[in-house]
This record gives sequence, structure tokens and C-alpha cells, in this order.
Amino acid sequence: ETGVTQSPTHLIKTRGQQVTLRCSSQSGHNTVSWYQQALGQGPQFIFQYYREEENGRGNFPPRFSGLQFPNYSSELNVNALELDDSALYLCASTQGGSSYNEQFFGPGTRLTVL
Amino acid sequence: AQSVTQPDIHITVSEGASLELRCNYSYGATPYLFWYVQSPGQGLQLLLKYFSGDTLVQGIKGFEAEFKRSQSSFNLRKPSVHWSDAAEYFCAVGGAGGYQKVTFGTGTKLQVIP
Repeated sequence: ETGVTQSPTHLIKTRGQQVTLRCSSQSGHNTVSWYQQALGQGPQFIFQYYREEENGRGNFPPRFSGLQFPNYSSELNVNALELDDSALYLCASTQGGSSYNEQFFGPGTRLTVL
Repeated sequence: AQSVTQPDIHITVSEGASLELRCNYSYGATPYLFWYVQSPGQGLQLLLKYFSGDTLVQGIKGFEAEFKRSQSSFNLRKPSVHWSDAAEYFCAVGGAGGYQKVTFGTGTKLQVIP
């Protein structure tokens, strides 16, 4: 059984650029959630995808968007990067969208915006 | 609005000593409560969770937590800390509405000294 993987591990971008982060969910999981973890903070929920549809969104602007593919892997896209977007981006997968089901997290992508 | 407070930003304990990490929450109904651990370069790992029933919850790695409704607390405990427990610990609160409804605390960093 393969765990949740994320790529790339680290990324450096400049303000105004666009970035795409990738996540492969754990085998058998159909739900992927994305979180932003700023330095010294807990994770903040960005959005969740269930069977290729967005089915929950946190308090993030529309320039944060995502996709889920038929194999349940996922992408997080951020347009018009701002300095405050610098953070660790975590992906988590689960079977079903309920918080009753355990989420399994990937190691994250560290994004630095200069 | 729901919230989580972890009053201790940083805690240092000696190896073999007992540990208690504090978590206070605010939630309008019966909460789902979680404790996660995050080691450097690792994603979050679920230690334990409380949904209902017995208020003393056993988790992995020898951790336990007690839900005290009257005190709005869900403190994490371990009777004897190992050097490998050094990590950051996050408490989270939510409900049945999915992970978009889960709020994380800001974390407590645990240092273990020989």
C-alpha cells in the first residue's frame, strides 16, 4: 500500500507567478484535501475534492484552485502568488469526505514566494 | 465560531518523564476532537480521536487523551516520554460535516532532553 506522496518537495517562486502542486492519494482513497500551514501555525483547510468534484472550501480566494483526476490524484494551483502564500502545503487523502474517516497526510510541499 | 487553543507553544521534558499537552476548544455542539503529531519533514499523523463514548481515549505510540466537557478540554498525556516523541503536536476540533469543518490549533513543540 502506497502512502500519500507530494511533489515537488520544495519550490521557490516570485510574486505574481503561478504554481502547481501535486498529490497522489493513498491507494483506495477517493477524497483529497489540501491545507496551508504557515510558519508557526496549524494547518488551514483550503478545499476538498471527492470523486473529481470540489465538495468543500475554506476561507481562501479563488486564485487557489484545484483538480482531482480519475485516479484520485490531485493538483493545487495558485495564481498571482503573494508573499503571504509562502507556506507548507499539505495534501491528505481519505476514503469518503466525513471527518469520521481518518485522513492520511503527505509530507508537504514547501513553497517560498520572493 | 469554533476554535482551539493550545496555550503552550513550547514544552521541554526529560526522557522518561510524564507529559501533558493542553488543549482547550470552543464548539457549539458535541465535538469531534483530534490530536496529530508532526515530525520534521513528515506529514501530520493522527495520534487519536474522540467522537463519542468513553471520554478517555487511547491512541498510538502510548498516548492517551481525556475529553472533559465541563472544562472544554482534550489534554494529551503520555506516562513516559521517549526521545523519538520530540515533534510538534496539534489539537483539532470539528464536527460531522467533513474536514472543512475541522479547526487546528497552533501547535505545541515538544523537546525531549536526555
